[in-house]
Amino acid sequence: DAKTTQPPSMDCAEGRAANLPCNHSTISGNEYVYWYRQIHSQGPQYIIHGLKNNETNEMASLIITEDRKSSTLILPHATLRDTAVYYCIVRVANTGNQFYFGTGTSLTVIP
Amino acid sequence: EAQVTQNPRYLITVTGKKLTVTCSQNMNHEYMSWYRQDPGLGLRQIYYSMNVEVTDKGDVPEGYKVSRKEKRNFPLILESPSPNQTSLYFCASRRNGGANTEAFFGQGTRLTVV
Repeated sequence: DAKTTQPPSMDCAEGRAANLPCNHSTISGNEYVYWYRQIHSQGPQYIIHGLKNNETNEMASLIITEDRKSSTLILPHATLRDTAVYYCIVRVANTGNQFYFGTGTSLTVIP
Repeated sequence: EAQVTQNPRYLITVTGKKLTVTCSQNMNHEYMSWYRQDPGLGLRQIYYSMNVEVTDKGDVPEGYKVSRKEKRNFPLILESPSPNQTSLYFCASRRNGGANTEAFFGQGTRLTVV
């Protein structure tokens, strides 16, 4: 599975959009981009995933560049409860491979 | 409600005293796995199971055992715990195939071995 690079920490004002970047320059054509988050030592929580098209769900939007070498997770209106560590993971779907969690981005939403 | 349940949530034990951390899921998932999380090292996979009676080592299996006799349960066994196994443990489950292989995680077990 391709490695990912994320900034170690970010701040965001409450109510504003939080844009979390992820670089995955060695991603393969059949690898998906997944985002998970972990709130204060709880179990990681799935947010969203995509292959090459932009995706949106009730939690977030995922923007993947055309060359697929990077992506951005967007939380449109960040709240204090969005303070968490966010993990960007790339892996081939439909396999038994594990999810490799890196060290993620620690997002702090500021009141 | 779809969930992965781990027990206990907190455990303090002494070196060498065998213990088992239970994990159960109610989503009929084939794939289950155990992770440990340590400061600065992120989540590392200990063991995983693709289905009943099928288990395999992850990245850090030393000192651990698992079994998968039933689809819903995947216990983690520490035969002789040592202080370096003090950690936060997570069990996870998901379907085996398809792109939407969202993984569901338990709430974690914080283990301290003294």
